[in-house]
Amino acid sequence: DAGITQSPRYKITETGRQVTLMCHQTWSHSYMFWYRQDLGHGLRLIYYSAAADITDKGEVPDGYVVSRSKTENFPLTLESATRSQTSVYFCASRWTPNNEQFFGPGTRLTVL
Amino acid sequence: KQEVTQIPAALSVPEGENLVLNCSFTDSAIYNLQWFRQDPGKGLTSLLLIQSSQREQTSGRLNASLDKSSGRSTLYIAASQPGDSATYLCAVLDAKAAGNKLTFGGGTRVLVKP
Repeated sequence: DAGITQSPRYKITETGRQVTLMCHQTWSHSYMFWYRQDLGHGLRLIYYSAAADITDKGEVPDGYVVSRSKTENFPLTLESATRSQTSVYFCASRWTPNNEQFFGPGTRLTVL
Repeated sequence: KQEVTQIPAALSVPEGENLVLNCSFTDSAIYNLQWFRQDPGKGLTSLLLIQSSQREQTSGRLNASLDKSSGRSTLYIAASQPGDSATYLCAVLDAKAAGNKLTFGGGTRVLVKP
């Protein structure tokens, strides 16, 4: 199906484990983004990418790593998960700065 | 630094009443403003995008206005229905921010009572 998909939709892991959240979009949008959403903090940008092989930090990048070898994929890796990284993670994409931004369905991550 | 505020944080109206949702931003140098809807446990759904050169945008029962000079946008939802119950977020694309990133408001949680 066209659009943005995220996998897994739900994930439970333990402190110290590495976790990778996947994001795939079928529109060939240039821009892709990772956000986390927490009560009391709203949506916060983790990392973003303007094109394949171009990534940059957002507001809260510590503890996360991204890559973008292909335009359509933008995986987010938690190198050593901590309880403070328990959150709902959203991937988003946009064609150009002046276009609408679209969001994926989210991944609910729990770190025990 | 751009700041986006949505007041009130929560709103309850009877079915059929028109909804008026407010969004204010501190820096008028924006490319565009986007309104989203978020249902509990779901992702954000784009409702309307208003470019900085536009004054309003309409889609069905939704109408969004933009007044850049005063740093305000208003989302109007006509003849509200229980299915309109959700959290509504506005976001601005700041012309001065690196990376063309959206700045989000905290959202207004809407409950439409039957």
